[in-house]
Amino acid sequence: GENVEQHPSTLSVQEGDSAVIKCTYSDSASNYFPWYKQELGKRPQLIIDIRSNVGEKKDQRIAVTLNKTAKHFSLHITETQPEDSAVYFCAASRESGGYNKLIFGAGTRLAVHP
Amino acid sequence: DVKVTQSSRYLVKRTGEKVFLECVQDMDHENMFWYRQDPGLGLRLIYFSYDVKMKEKGDIPEGYSVSREKKERFSLILESASTNQTSMYLCASREAGGPYNEQFFGPGTRLTVL
Repeated sequence: GENVEQHPSTLSVQEGDSAVIKCTYSDSASNYFPWYKQELGKRPQLIIDIRSNVGEKKDQRIAVTLNKTAKHFSLHITETQPEDSAVYFCAASRESGGYNKLIFGAGTRLAVHP
Repeated sequence: DVKVTQSSRYLVKRTGEKVFLECVQDMDHENMFWYRQDPGLGLRLIYFSYDVKMKEKGDIPEGYSVSREKKERFSLILESASTNQTSMYLCASREAGGPYNEQFFGPGTRLTVL
């Protein structure tokens, strides 16, 4: 079936370093790729998204890149801070039966150490 | 501000019990979703609803059913709870109109089945 693979499952960085999380998707018809951040004990929240007609999108310290040919997309966090520590989920939208649904990756637990 | 609420944060039930998880959203969203979240597996879609009284199976519907009698309320039902249904359950809602609309999550219900 359709799936989204996410790597790494855990990532540990020092404050100020960059962090990169990578996802690959299998459905070439996927056209929307959001990233969600889930802090400990809280609900997932959208932090950035990208549509299939765009190769890169940036919002302050976070950016997302999309390579449609290779069917992978990545989240880049620069100048990491302790408050970036969370679980990050990538997702890809796929259409099924006329409806659009999100398929989520397994998540990456990011730890930023002061 | 979108608010998605779930009836319980924590729930403990016994094997064989019928369990109801309630989700309410206050933004008049047409689309509502139920996911379960397990470590290493990400968010997996159980059921979704694109309108009142409408329901569609997600990727892991076995052992679950849903009800959407009113637009703002989407209920997940475990007909006969089993220990392998111990998990975090997340509800989400989204405005209709294509894949690009943000999906908003509730705070989650951590269900333990003994």
